[in-house]
Amino acid sequence: NAGVTQTPKFRVLKTGQSMTLLCAQDMNHEYMYWYRQDPGMGLRLIHYSVGEGTTAKGEVPDGYNVSRLKKQNFLLGLESAAPSQTSVYFCASSYYLAGETQYFGPGTRLLVL
Amino acid sequence: QQQVKQSPQSLIVQKGGISIINCAYENTAFDYFPWYQQFPGKGPALLIAIRPDVSEKKEGRFTISFNKSAKQFSLHIMDSQPGDSATYFCAGVYNAGNMLTFGGGTRLMVKP
Repeated sequence: NAGVTQTPKFRVLKTGQSMTLLCAQDMNHEYMYWYRQDPGMGLRLIHYSVGEGTTAKGEVPDGYNVSRLKKQNFLLGLESAAPSQTSVYFCASSYYLAGETQYFGPGTRLLVL
Repeated sequence: QQQVKQSPQSLIVQKGGISIINCAYENTAFDYFPWYQQFPGKGPALLIAIRPDVSEKKEGRFTISFNKSAKQFSLHIMDSQPGDSATYFCAGVYNAGNMLTFGGGTRLMVKP
């Protein structure tokens, strides 16, 4: 039982490049989330999904897109990376409501030059 | 605008002392208040949580105190240990909005 896994662990991009971050969970959770973590700002919600085939915007969605084609996977895409997107990205999942325990992955560190 | 404000940003406590982290929230629609603990290089993990109809919740050495009228809540870590050294995040949850809003985090260091 791996819980929540994220790939890659670390990535360096040049400004304007694109990439996709993959999140996978094996707990049969309905809800999945993408957060970014920046010093002093806690974790901020980028996008979330309440079930397969659904996505919704969070607090800081600009510059990101997401897809939830399979219940166990939640993809975060950066179409044209900017230095402001340098951050640590965390994926999380919960069985149902946001108030249920959220289980976090180990994070992806992204550096945009 | 941060809906959950957390203080202090960093805290140093001697082993055996009490660590206190405070949070204040603005959104009165929040209906659940969890605390997450994060060790370096790891994702956050749920530590303890409280609902607004309860004024205090204790689990082992960890206690949440909740003041609904003041819109404040705090985490107390009794008999702090070096293994408690981590970053702590408070949060407010608005279940109908499917959102969890985190505070800015407190980096706790417990000196042996």
